[in-house]
Amino acid sequence: DADVTQTPRNRITKTGKRIMLECSQTKGHDRMYWYRQDPGLGLRLIYYSFDVKDINKGEISDGYSVSRQAQAKFSLSLESAIPNQTALYFCATSGGTGYGYTFGSGTRLTVV
Amino acid sequence: RKEVEQDPGPFNVPEGATVAFNCTYSNSASQSFFWYRQDCRKEPKLLMSVYSSGNEDGRFTAQLNRASQYISLLIRDSKLSDSATYLCVVNPYNQGGKLIFGQGTELSVKP
Repeated sequence: DADVTQTPRNRITKTGKRIMLECSQTKGHDRMYWYRQDPGLGLRLIYYSFDVKDINKGEISDGYSVSRQAQAKFSLSLESAIPNQTALYFCATSGGTGYGYTFGSGTRLTVV
Repeated sequence: RKEVEQDPGPFNVPEGATVAFNCTYSNSASQSFFWYRQDCRKEPKLLMSVYSSGNEDGRFTAQLNRASQYISLLIRDSKLSDSATYLCVVNPYNQGGKLIFGQGTELSVKP
C-alpha cells in the first residue's frame, strides 16, 4: 500500500456542487499539506496542518476548507465548486522541519 | 520576485549528454534544500537532498552556494528515462517547515 493515499483519483463535478477529497497516510507524520497544481503556476499551498488540533491557511485557501479527522487523515472540501478550481490536487506529509515531503498520487478534479 | 526561481526550459538533450539545472532562492535564512522529480501527471518524488558540501548520487550531483543563494543539479550520461520536470525546493527557516517549490525545469532526453 502507498504511504499516502488520495481518493478519488479522478473526479468530474458540476459547478456549485460540494466535493470532498480525502487523504490518508501510514507514515505516522504529524504534518500534512494540500496543494494544487496548475500548468505554468507550479504547486500552490492551500492548507496545512501540523497536528490534529492545528489548521493553517496557505496562499490560496479561498473557496476551500479542510478537516483533520485524525493524525492519519486530512480531507479537503470545495464547498461550492467553480470551474477555475479545475486542477491536479496533491496531499503531502512531512516528518518535520528539514525533511522533504511524501506526496500522494494526486486527484485530478474537473469542474464543469 | 519569486521565492524560488528556475529556468522552465524545456531542455532538449541527446542521450548521453550532461545537463545542468540552476535555481535561485530569495530567503537567505533557508535551511534545507531538495530536488524533486515529477513525471507528467504524476506526483513529485524526492530525487535528492542538497547539502552545503555538495553531494552525489550516481549520475546526479547537487551543489549549494549559500552566499549566492544558488542551487544546481547536474545530470551526467542522460538516459531517456530522465525525461521529467525537475523541481527545486527550499525550506525557509522562518516558515514552520513548509517547503517552497520552484515551477520546475522540463527535461526531454532524445534518442
